[in-house]
Amino acid sequence: EAGVTQSPTHLIKTRGQQATLRCSPISGHTSVYWYQQALGLGLQFLLWYDEGEERNRGNFPPRFSGRQFPNYSSELNVNALELEDSALYLCASSFLGAGWHTGELFFGEGSRLTVL
Amino acid sequence: DAKTTQPPSMDCAEGRAANLPCNHSTISGNEYVYWYRQIHSQGPQYIIHGLKNNETNEMASLIITEDRKSSTLILPHATLRDTAVYYCIALREAGTALIFGKGTTLSVSS
Repeated sequence: EAGVTQSPTHLIKTRGQQATLRCSPISGHTSVYWYQQALGLGLQFLLWYDEGEERNRGNFPPRFSGRQFPNYSSELNVNALELEDSALYLCASSFLGAGWHTGELFFGEGSRLTVL
Repeated sequence: DAKTTQPPSMDCAEGRAANLPCNHSTISGNEYVYWYRQIHSQGPQYIIHGLKNNETNEMASLIITEDRKSSTLILPHATLRDTAVYYCIALREAGTALIFGKGTTLSVSS
């Protein structure tokens, strides 16, 4: 069974541009989570989508946005890129049905965004 | 969700048991304790979780004190591949997304 897949693996952009990162959850999973891991700052929660709806949002400015598609895949958009947006962006998925716990997430390997 | 406190780093000899402590003195009755680890440059990996009973799986054991104010993750026979950052997180079952703290960097050496 395929795990969580993210693309692209690496992305280089310049300040002011927009970046789009994509995530495909494990088959059958309906929730997708996005995290940012910048150097020295640890894992920061960004966004949580379930069944196409935004369920929760971390403490990030509005230029960080995303969506979840009917097939449960998701994309994260970062507008007006700033140098400090350089980070590893991790996507995770889970299934919120009966018998599953919301804390059991399956992570992808991440997309590394570099802003020059 | 309750705040958790972990030591920033720990060392362990290969083959020995690694006991990673976590303090969660303000945990409420409906909050689970979750453990994850992140090996360098990889996505975090779920290890185990529990509410009040001790739990064991193929990766580790979780010991939760009777008052639930602290817990210990036990890797029974640590290997070099267990070198990672270990995160302890308290989470309500139907609550918000996982919030990671700084975790404990476990270094396993031969």
